This record gives sequence, structure tokens and C-alpha cells, in this order.
Amino acid sequence: DTGVSQDPRHKITKRGQNVTFRCDPISEHNRLYWYRQTLGQGPEFLTYFQNEAQLEKSRLLSDRFSAERPKGSFSTLEIQRTEQGDSAMYLCASSLAASGSGEQFFGPGTRLTVL
Amino acid sequence: GNSVTQMEGPVTLSEEAFLTINCTYTATGYPSLFWYVQYPGEGLQLLLKATKADDKGSNKGFEATYRKETTSFHLEKGSVQVSDSAVYFCALSDRTGNQFYFGTGTSLTVIP
Repeated sequence: DTGVSQDPRHKITKRGQNVTFRCDPISEHNRLYWYRQTLGQGPEFLTYFQNEAQLEKSRLLSDRFSAERPKGSFSTLEIQRTEQGDSAMYLCASSLAASGSGEQFFGPGTRLTVL
Repeated sequence: GNSVTQMEGPVTLSEEAFLTINCTYTATGYPSLFWYVQYPGEGLQLLLKATKADDKGSNKGFEATYRKETTSFHLEKGSVQVSDSAVYFCALSDRTGNQFYFGTGTSLTVIP
């Protein structure tokens, strides 16, 4: 399977704990995006990378959230001191910057439940 | 700013019925427009897209036409099937492709 993959698919944690999610994009894609999706809503943009550079961050991304893409391939999203409001589906997507339409390919998501 | 407004659901149709899901957008410049579909337990999949005014995107019997004059991108299918049951998201990206803006999604259930 050469699509976008995410790990883990599900994560249950206690409030106050730190969690880290991983995303592996389509191999030739140089752009990688993180979104958050809550029940009954569309995905909300969090941040994106072009290669290893983090180029944009949403105001939704509090200082408890940090994302990295150290070698321009896979990316990690860490949430520190989790809160119940962080419970959501975290989606990763990738695209080719050269693609005029900006079409993004999504992974299956990581569902986070904070107890 | 950029935003997408789509028809609220849920929508329930009988098999072979005609489907329309409305989507309108607000954007600066000339965005690309997309419909994504999310089947139960799966990630978002691109259904169709249009990159300029009057373009028609089509796939699996679904169609949508980029209407600049009405800032709309309504999704249509002439005869739905049970397997079309899913959540449908309208989305736009600006010309840089830096950000996508999604609607809230419309849940469709097709009954036999």
C-alpha cells in the first residue's frame, strides 16, 4: 500500500499525559499536513510542512502541540499535557507542491480519546 | 477569508433516487474545489475536483460544476446506490494549495 499511513489508529490516554502520533506520507510528496476532525465537523487545518520546514500553523494549534518532520519524510505530532478537549480524530495528508490543484491525499487518521 | 458552506444533513434517500448536496464557497482569488467522501471507518478519499470556472468534475456517477457566478459546487448523482452511503465533504484550496477549507460534511444514507 503506497498511500498515507498513520500510527497508531487509536489512542486512549489519561488527561495530563503526553501522546505522539506518526504520519508517513506518500513517498514522493513534499508537502505534509495535519488536521483535526471532531464529530460532525469537517477537518480543521493545524499545520503543514514543505519538506522539513514547517511553513504554517493554525491559531488552533496551542503551545501544547508540536509537530516535526525532521528529514522531510515522516512527521510526528505531539500533544503535551492532554486535555479532554483534545479528543478528536487527527488526520494527516500529503501532496505534491508542484500539483496545480493542490490535491491532498489523506491517511486513515488517529482517533484520540482523552479520559 | 476562505470558507465553505454545505447543506446540512443527514440525508436519507431510497436507492435509485436523485442526489443533490449543495455547496457554496467564499474565497479570495480563484480556488480549486473538491468533493471528498468518507466511508464508515475509512479516511477521506477524493471523489472529484475542478480547478477553474465552468469545469465539471466527475467520478463514479457523481458530478459537480464549478460555478463562479454563484460561487457554488453542488454535488449530484442521478441514481444513488446503497454503497454511496457515506459522509461527503466539500472543500476548497487556494492557488498556493497551502490550506484546505472543508465544509462540515453531509451524511448520506441510501436505503434499499
